[in-house]
Amino acid sequence: DTGVSQDPRHKITKRGQNVTFRCDPISEHNRLYWYRQTLGQGPEFLTYFQNEAQLEKSRLLSDRFSAERPKGSFSTLEIQRTEQGDSAMYLCASSLLGQSNTGELFFGEGSRLTVL
Amino acid sequence: GQQVMQIPQYQHVQEGEDFTTYCNSSTTLSNIQWYKQRPGGHPVFLIQLVKSGEVKKQKRLTFQFGEAKKNSSLHITATQTTDVGTYFCAGSGIKGSGYALNFGKGTSLLVTP
Repeated sequence: DTGVSQDPRHKITKRGQNVTFRCDPISEHNRLYWYRQTLGQGPEFLTYFQNEAQLEKSRLLSDRFSAERPKGSFSTLEIQRTEQGDSAMYLCASSLLGQSNTGELFFGEGSRLTVL
Repeated sequence: GQQVMQIPQYQHVQEGEDFTTYCNSSTTLSNIQWYKQRPGGHPVFLIQLVKSGEVKKQKRLTFQFGEAKKNSSLHITATQTTDVGTYFCAGSGIKGSGYALNFGKGTSLLVTP
């Protein structure tokens, strides 16, 4: 499968614990995005990378969230001191930078986080 | 929070009826994309519109981008049960958001046979 893959698919954790999600984008894609989605809502932008550079981060994003893409390939999203409000589906997407500066996003299946 | 508004939030139609969802931004968009998400699935790209007034068709689906590049619509002719899902518009180039793609809340379509 050459699509976007995310790991783990499901994570249950206790409040206050740290969690880390991994995303492997489509290999030739230079952009990688993280979104969060809760039931009945659209994907909420968190951050995105172009190659290894983190170009944008949502102003609404708590400093408990950090993301990296160290070699411009896979990315990790870490949430420290999780809270119940962090429970959501965390979606990763990748794209190839195009003329319009926004390529088609290819989403992974997501990592579902439940904070007890 | 979301800067792209979508209406209606839900739509329930009988198979064969038409369906339209509307997307509005308070600021000019550089482009707009549409995605479909089936229940339990992830968003899947449908189309991207870039030019002012652009209209694109995909079989029974018609996509429009407004002249001012602030609104868009998706129209489905003669819905089928396979059209069930949530349709999202996503705008890029919203002021203050760089090139991040910001999604609306979506319109959930239910089609009954």
